[in-house]
Amino acid sequence: QKEVEQDPGPLSVPEGAIVSLNCTYSNSAFQYFMWYRQYSRKGPELLMYTYSSGNKEDGRFTAQVDKSSKYISLFIRDSQPSDSATYLCAMSGYNKLIFGAGTRLAVHP
Amino acid sequence: DTAVSQTPKYLVTQMGNDKSIKCEQNLGHDTMYWYKQDSKKFLKIMFSYNNKELIINETVPNRFSPKSPDKAHLNLHINSLELGDSAVYFCASSQDNPGELFFGEGSRLTVL
Repeated sequence: QKEVEQDPGPLSVPEGAIVSLNCTYSNSAFQYFMWYRQYSRKGPELLMYTYSSGNKEDGRFTAQVDKSSKYISLFIRDSQPSDSATYLCAMSGYNKLIFGAGTRLAVHP
Repeated sequence: DTAVSQTPKYLVTQMGNDKSIKCEQNLGHDTMYWYKQDSKKFLKIMFSYNNKELIINETVPNRFSPKSPDKAHLNLHINSLELGDSAVYFCASSQDNPGELFFGEGSRLTVL
């Protein structure tokens, strides 16, 4: 079993839809949870960063962490074509960062 | 000014050759990394250096040798290239927060 599981998609939604992206993990030592966005042929860039359980909101993006279920989510409201990218969840503990496989999202006009 | 820059962006070479990828960061970060991203977009850490010292070596074949001449540079040399080495290699850096990585644009290696 991989330490971090993420559905690779692809996920295709119309513009304006609410998008839900998820990851599950097995290592209870993870304390920090991140979402990175990667555009085609570019490097990943940090989108959201959360510590422990709870919610964090930044504009149209909301990150949720449920440590009891070992489950994290990223919600994108009012999705735009510019949100089309691969979204990678990542988590760290003991100075080691583990990435999920990434979910490819396409938002069509 | 690019924060994390790597060269070359594209590399096409024959099996058995030796090649190097260079990385430089101008963010003043203490920690630098090499990640490998395969065709399925899975991003896996290879090496981590903190202030020129090797911190993480994730069971990477000996054919891969990182070198950090100073804390702003981390180069990757690969000997005897194999088909399975074809991937995109990303350099990254971080400071106090190991979860907040700044990535370069990647070096796409194709081994024929």
